[in-house]
Amino acid sequence: EIVLTQSPATLSLSPGERATLSCRASQSVSNSLAWYQQKPGQAPRLLIYDASNRATGIPARFSGSGSGTDFTLTISSLEPADFAVYFCQQRSSWPPTFGQGTKVEIK
Amino acid sequence: EVQLVESGGALVQPGGSLRLSCAASGFTFSKYTMHWVRQAPGKGLQYVSGISPNGGSTYYADSVKGRFTISRDNSKNTLYLQMSSLRAEDTAVFYCVKEWRSIETALVYFDYWGQGTLVTVSS
Repeated sequence: EIVLTQSPATLSLSPGERATLSCRASQSVSNSLAWYQQKPGQAPRLLIYDASNRATGIPARFSGSGSGTDFTLTISSLEPADFAVYFCQQRSSWPPTFGQGTKVEIK
Repeated sequence: EVQLVESGGALVQPGGSLRLSCAASGFTFSKYTMHWVRQAPGKGLQYVSGISPNGGSTYYADSVKGRFTISRDNSKNTLYLQMSSLRAEDTAVFYCVKEWRSIETALVYFDYWGQGTLVTVSS
């Protein structure tokens, strides 16, 4: 199965700063990659699909890029509501797999 | 508004069985592939199982194949997961998840998740 490795494990930033999260796949997933946000005690929320398309209702400060094996989620200017854990996920091959997550915490 | 409400989670002994349910509303349940995804305490997400809209096709992660059975009742808008031979490593929050197909690429993702139900396997 395809392994997704996210880095860093934790990102400590202040509100207003730019966050850059990485997801690397063990083999090419083309653009079949999604990003999810999860807050404590809540279910994950779809942010980005097809590597770079924002899901319905997702603010423009969230953007995704990449293809093949290297992907990036960028939050242009962190707002208090953005401090959470972010997971990447591939649907290129069976089974669907997730990265281990990056926690974005308040510095 | 799409709602997915899981139930059935409990404390169960190793080797025991449990059935999870997920009541769906706010969309045409019978038209969508549905899935279960789990999250062990403090860990990441792991795919468990999926079922096609009419129930004719089912999918399982290797770790649960032969022990878990997914099913659905479209007349009741309900998804199920029958779990048997439970192990300590099955301890997790189980999420019911709706599949969604990208208009741009036809690739499929998970667009709505329930709040989850906790399964604890321990003696």
